[in-house]
Amino acid sequence: QQQVKQSPQSLIVQKGGISIINCAYENTAFDYFPWYQQFPGKGPALLIAIRPDVSEKKEGRFTISFNKSAKQFSLHIMDSQPGDSATYFCAARNQGGKLIFGQGTELSVKP
Amino acid sequence: GAGVSQSPSNKVTEKGKDVELRCDPISGHTALYWYRQSLGQGLEFLIYFQGNSAPDKSGLPSDRFSAERTGGSVSTLTIQRTQQEDSAVYLCASSLALGQGSEAFFGQGTRLTVV
Repeated sequence: QQQVKQSPQSLIVQKGGISIINCAYENTAFDYFPWYQQFPGKGPALLIAIRPDVSEKKEGRFTISFNKSAKQFSLHIMDSQPGDSATYFCAARNQGGKLIFGQGTELSVKP
Repeated sequence: GAGVSQSPSNKVTEKGKDVELRCDPISGHTALYWYRQSLGQGLEFLIYFQGNSAPDKSGLPSDRFSAERTGGSVSTLTIQRTQQEDSAVYLCASSLALGQGSEAFFGQGTRLTVV
């Protein structure tokens, strides 16, 4: 089954707090796991990505944690800012190139 | 071009009419994807191309939907006999290759409204 399940659907965080979004997948053929950020009226833009041979990747305030045995991965946004308010999508790509997205998380960071 | 270009940006059509949506990928990108995003929903995979070939058409919702890619570049998504449930934003993305670590860049999308 080629599905990616994402939670929560929406998230409200205070400025300076940590935002955590979780994803789970079923297909072990996935070999690339990107996170995308989408602002209203815009196309999604790549935020950060990880391969399954790495357990964690950090870029600035954004960190992906990857648990291969549990088939789960998560995005952590440290020191969340109002400008981070957007919809976040996790995704997974299989070796054939098919890129499947989660349902998205609408993040709102309150000042 | 500098990015993925989609046209038109907005399209309003009457139920039953056919529509064509166009995607110009980034020059040199061999992989091209089509997704559909309904209001407040996730990205529903439709089809992807490697060059001019479509290895996976499983996401096309019905036989009213078809897509082609010519010259390894421009792609057209055609919806025949449009229905109101086809109303959504149609997003196109391209990437340098289908391999690991190849980022997919998205266009701004075509907002289709069927009235």
